[in-house]
Amino acid sequence: SAVISQKPSRDICQRGTSLTIQCQVDSQVTMMFWYRQQPGQSLTLIATANQGSEATYESGFVIDKFPISRPNLTFSTLTVSNMSPEDSSIYLCSVRRGRLYGYTFGSGTRLTVV
Amino acid sequence: DAKTTQPTSMDCAEGRAANLPCNHSTISGNEYVYWYRQIHSQGPQYIIHGLKNNETNEMASLIITEDRKSSTLILPHATLRDTAVYYCIVRLQGGSEKLVFGKGTKLTVNP
Repeated sequence: SAVISQKPSRDICQRGTSLTIQCQVDSQVTMMFWYRQQPGQSLTLIATANQGSEATYESGFVIDKFPISRPNLTFSTLTVSNMSPEDSSIYLCSVRRGRLYGYTFGSGTRLTVV
Repeated sequence: DAKTTQPTSMDCAEGRAANLPCNHSTISGNEYVYWYRQIHSQGPQYIIHGLKNNETNEMASLIITEDRKSSTLILPHATLRDTAVYYCIVRLQGGSEKLVFGKGTKLTVNP
């Protein structure tokens, strides 16, 4: 399966600031997915990032709050903008190499906003 | 919304088989059933997936009913390290490849 490196693994940020999370994959993939996992909750999909096009956001998530970049087939970033304590969550990226493979997840970024 | 229903929690004795059920009564003909697990503070880990035939790999077996409305994930010899939240997921149609997670089953393997 694909190997994903996600950085940072954790961070504590002041409210009103922004944090950019990086996701690096060891092979080229068409789609990358960004998820949020709030404390004690399941994973919620934020957006799907395709190389060379705008990300597709799920209901309840907007580009101004969670801008995403996808400059090439192995890398993506998610920015959490103008953070508030409600943004404290684990953020995870995920990829799928092909139809015969399952989805691989990064180890996540644990964000605490104070 | 997630298209699956799972029990909130289950317990299993170490060394015994853990059988985790999942209902997906509205599954469509070309939708796959995926199983993932999430050990505390880690990213979800892929376990197995299937369409209509039973599947087995080094981690688990997946039994899908003939009508495909439900499935069971079997961990044949559960260990303490299998304690995790297990997610049963039906992959959506329409060209989208996203996974929608439900609440999953918290499996606790007891010594």
